[in-house]
Parts: sequence; structure tokens; C-alpha cells
Amino acid sequence: GNSVTQMEGPVTLSEEAFLTINCTYTATGYPSLFWYVQYPGEGLQLLLKATKADDKGSNKGFEATYRKETTSFHLEKGSVQVSDSAVYFCALSIQNQGGKLIFGQGTELSVKP
Amino acid sequence: NAGVTQTPKFRILKIGQSMTLQCTQDMNHNYMYWYRQDPGMGLKLIYYSVGAGITDKGEVPNGYNVSRSTTEDFPLRLELAAPSQTSVYFCASSTTGNSGANVLTFGAGSRLTVL
Repeated sequence: GNSVTQMEGPVTLSEEAFLTINCTYTATGYPSLFWYVQYPGEGLQLLLKATKADDKGSNKGFEATYRKETTSFHLEKGSVQVSDSAVYFCALSIQNQGGKLIFGQGTELSVKP
Repeated sequence: NAGVTQTPKFRILKIGQSMTLQCTQDMNHNYMYWYRQDPGMGLKLIYYSVGAGITDKGEVPNGYNVSRSTTEDFPLRLELAAPSQTSVYFCASSTTGNSGANVLTFGAGSRLTVL
């Protein structure tokens, strides 16, 4: 079946530190991959996406590369800010399956000043 | 644009009570979804709809019902509330569901507690 596995949190970093959140997936079809972010008290919003192998998604200083050979889509940011504190979800979607997103368990990031 | 609007934001139910979570979107999206979010478990799909009059079960449909009489509305019904349904519920919509690369727009969530 289709599934997403993320590194467990919470992750606590100091401001300006480098961030990596690992995400690996299992898919029977050819997935599109996403990172969504959930700020405290809010719904999820799209952070970035990639639709084919070797694509790099990027937004707000975050980036992730679709690695088919390692079935991974790790999220990175070179210098985190306090405002990046949130829960990050990796997700996949398979074509012609109603657009359903399958989510990982989420990784909570806390950035300290 | 309001996007996806969910009501209520918070609700406490007693075991066995019934209620409906409302979801409305004003983006003319065909695809709509209900997810529940439990701590450390990510989001699980309850039901989804690919258009008015069409609904289908997701991963965790037991204890819930949905209807889709209009493009805009996708209410989620809990008939006999149980403590296991204590969760945060998110409604979402998208315009290009079957492409696989579609982006979901989420509501702000409804926090339900069953005591």
C-alpha cells in the first residue's frame, strides 16, 4: 500500500540553525510529493511540492528534492527562524485516485531565539 | 475569498449524542475531503467527494456519514458519538483532484471532545 514515514519529533533548534526533516514513502503508483505546514491553531497549508523524480520544490527558504531511487523527499532549510515553529507534514498523492493525500505523522519544529 | 469555512470551531459532546460538522467552500472546487487529526498520527481520511452527489469512504469512515448535495457544502455527520471520535477534524477542497498533483486548501479545523 501507500504510506509516508517522517522522522519523529519534536525537533528543537536554535535560530539560524540548519534544518532537515526526513521523509520516506512507499507507493504502488507514481506519486506527487508534498510538504504541508500547520502553524499553531491553524489548518494545514501547502509549503512546497514536486511531481516527478529529481524535481526540487522550494518556498520561503525551504526546499525538498524528489528522490525516486531512495524514495525520499527530505525537507531542508539553511537558517531557521522563530517564525518557522510549526508542525510539518510530508504527504503523497497518486494520480487518478481522487486527489487523496496520504500523510506522514507530522514533525513538530520548535525554534528558540 | 473565505476559502474553506468550518463550523463549529469547538464542541463538547456526550457519549451517544449526534452532531454535524459543517464545511463550506466558495472556490467552486469539485473535490472535497474530511480528515481527522490525532496527536502523533498525522491526518487520516474519513470521506471524500469528487463532485455533488458523489461520496466515497476513506481510510477511517466508521461512525461517520457525509452528503454532498451542492458543490459548496460537505457536512460530516456523527450519529452516536464515542470517545474514540475525540479529535480535530479538517475539511479540505481542491480543483484538480485526479491529476495527483493537486493542492488541497484546508479549513481551520473543528476540535471535538466526546465525554
